[in-house]
Amino acid sequence: DAKTTQPPSMDCAEGRAANLPCNHSTISGNEYVYWYRQIHSQGPQYIIHGLKNNETNEMASLIITEDRKSSTLILPHATLRDTAVYYCIVRARPGYNQGGKLIFGQGTELSVKP
Amino acid sequence: GAVVSQHPSWVICKSGTSVKIECRSLDFQATTMFWYRQFPKQSLMLMATSNEGSKATYEQGVEKDKFLINHASLTLSTLTVTSAHPEDSSFYICSARDGRTQNEQYFGPGTRLTVT
Repeated sequence: DAKTTQPPSMDCAEGRAANLPCNHSTISGNEYVYWYRQIHSQGPQYIIHGLKNNETNEMASLIITEDRKSSTLILPHATLRDTAVYYCIVRARPGYNQGGKLIFGQGTELSVKP
Repeated sequence: GAVVSQHPSWVICKSGTSVKIECRSLDFQATTMFWYRQFPKQSLMLMATSNEGSKATYEQGVEKDKFLINHASLTLSTLTVTSAHPEDSSFYICSARDGRTQNEQYFGPGTRLTVT
């Protein structure tokens, strides 16, 4: 699985948009970009995933650059409950080794402040 | 969304004893389950991958005789930490992949193991 690079920490004001970047310059054509988050002492929570098009769901938006070498997770209106470690993971799509394994990097520790 | 449960949520055991942790997919069938370990202030580390009805595949450096994994049904996997030592104290998290889509993967709430 390709590796990802994320800033170790970020701050965001409550109510503002949180933009979390991720670099995955070695991503291959059969790999998705996944985002999970982990609130302290809990299991990771799935947020969103995408292949090459931008994606949006009730939690967040995922913007993937045209060359697919980087992406940004956007939390449109961050709340205090969004404080967590956010992991960007590249994983093979289904049909390729059953979609591969989720290998976690160090992630970005997002602190949402009042 | 799909639910994965773990039991127990925390356990304290004495050095030298064995501890079993259960992982269940509650509303879907999981053909593949994964076990992770997380030490304080560190990321999750994948320990092993198990497919229903077959032997688990362990990541490099993980002792298969110490961490016994059984995936006997499509909704249950167990991790047994044998002859536990204080250095095995950690947060153990399981994850299950939905057999229908092969794309969605859900995580349990984790089990905090403390070995005294």
